[in-house]
Amino acid sequence: GQQVMQIPQYQHVQEGEDFTTYCNSSTTLSNIQWYKQRPGGHPVFLIQLVKSGEVKKQKRLTFQFGEAKKNSSLHITATQTTDVGTYFCAGPQAGTALIFGKGTTLSVSS
Amino acid sequence: NAGVTQTPKFRILKIGQSMTLQCTQDMNHNYMYWYRQDPGMGLKLIYYSVGAGITDKGEVPNGYNVSRSTTEDFPLRLELAAPSQTSVYFCASSWSGLNEQFFGPGTRLTVL
Repeated sequence: GQQVMQIPQYQHVQEGEDFTTYCNSSTTLSNIQWYKQRPGGHPVFLIQLVKSGEVKKQKRLTFQFGEAKKNSSLHITATQTTDVGTYFCAGPQAGTALIFGKGTTLSVSS
Repeated sequence: NAGVTQTPKFRILKIGQSMTLQCTQDMNHNYMYWYRQDPGMGLKLIYYSVGAGITDKGEVPNGYNVSRSTTEDFPLRLELAAPSQTSVYFCASSWSGLNEQFFGPGTRLTVL
């Protein structure tokens, strides 16, 4: 069945360093979504990418959708302690539900 | 708008007990979902619904049941609790299967 894989599983950085997480799907996606979950919290939607090769920015966060629409990345520039949490990518399965990756947990030390 | 609300926040069950996790959304979303989240394992879909009266199984439906009698409510039923059902349960809703999902705060369930 369809799978969505994320790497790395964990990443620790010093505050101010950059961070990137990668997402790969076994099938072509109509769109890809990114969510953030703070420790002890619930997933919160960040962004949706739809077009092949699309790049979107939200302040220090840059999201990219691959040309083949099978991979995506999230890059954070100059991390801050507020960036701590787990970042999930998700792709729709048959248009009815999302398949989530296992997430990348980011920790930041000041 | 309250968004997606879940009750209870925490619960401890004994093996073999049953309980219902409640989920309500006030955004008039057609789609609703139940996920479980185990440490380091991401979110696994238990059941979902595309509208009142319509439900379907997700990746891990065994040991659970759902119903969707109204647009707003999507309760999850555990009939015979087992230690393997110890997890955090999230309910979510969306306009469609392609749109962003809004998550509730979660229910932390322990089965002993």
